[in-house]
Amino acid sequence: DVKVTQSSRYLVKRTGEKVFLECVQDMDHENMFWYRQDPGLGLRLIYFSYDVKMKEKGDIPEGYSVSREKKERFSLILESASTNQTSMYLCASSSTGLAGDDEQFFGPGTRLTVL
Amino acid sequence: GESVGLHLPTLSVQEGDNSIINCAYSNSASDYFIWYKQESGKGPQFIIDIRSNMDKRQGQRVTVLLNKTVKHLSLQIAATQPGDSAVYFCAETYFKAAGNKLTFGGGTRVLVKP
Repeated sequence: DVKVTQSSRYLVKRTGEKVFLECVQDMDHENMFWYRQDPGLGLRLIYFSYDVKMKEKGDIPEGYSVSREKKERFSLILESASTNQTSMYLCASSSTGLAGDDEQFFGPGTRLTVL
Repeated sequence: GESVGLHLPTLSVQEGDNSIINCAYSNSASDYFIWYKQESGKGPQFIIDIRSNMDKRQGQRVTVLLNKTVKHLSLQIAATQPGDSAVYFCAETYFKAAGNKLTFGGGTRVLVKP
């Protein structure tokens, strides 16, 4: 089974702190994604990566950066956390099949609270 | 911009009845659609998918219907069980979208009454 793991289930940080959210997948997937999930807004894509050291902005990249130094690991960075970044963060990965119809596998999520 | 949306934010259904969850999409280039289920405290899990060259696909107790004419997607759950209580998301993408990027709908909460 595909496994996507996230470093923390719950995290509490203070405004202005630098925050690292780590995601690891064990299926050699090319693509990795970071979403945030807020009530009534569904899943919104922050950043994604389709190869090592490659990154693309999603729909809401402001206030975030990412790092993909190794294929299995995709990190989300909040340079200076703010209260409006309090949210559930979900990581996902997928392979790039020939037909382009590969589902994304999700991690359990990290609930981040910024005080 | 292009978006995927849901008509009903909350659906209450009696145990044993069938459930129907609807989704509208606006990107006519989308050719692959997925339904995800998210239980409380967990990440979304794949339920079923469908490509645009099909209009119906069946799984175990679930059926996805695709109407490309009106850009509408639905998920039918037969004989709904308490374990089906969750939030359901539709998602869309298109062939060769960079990184297989998905666009998600806002989600529908299904509550199964005993």
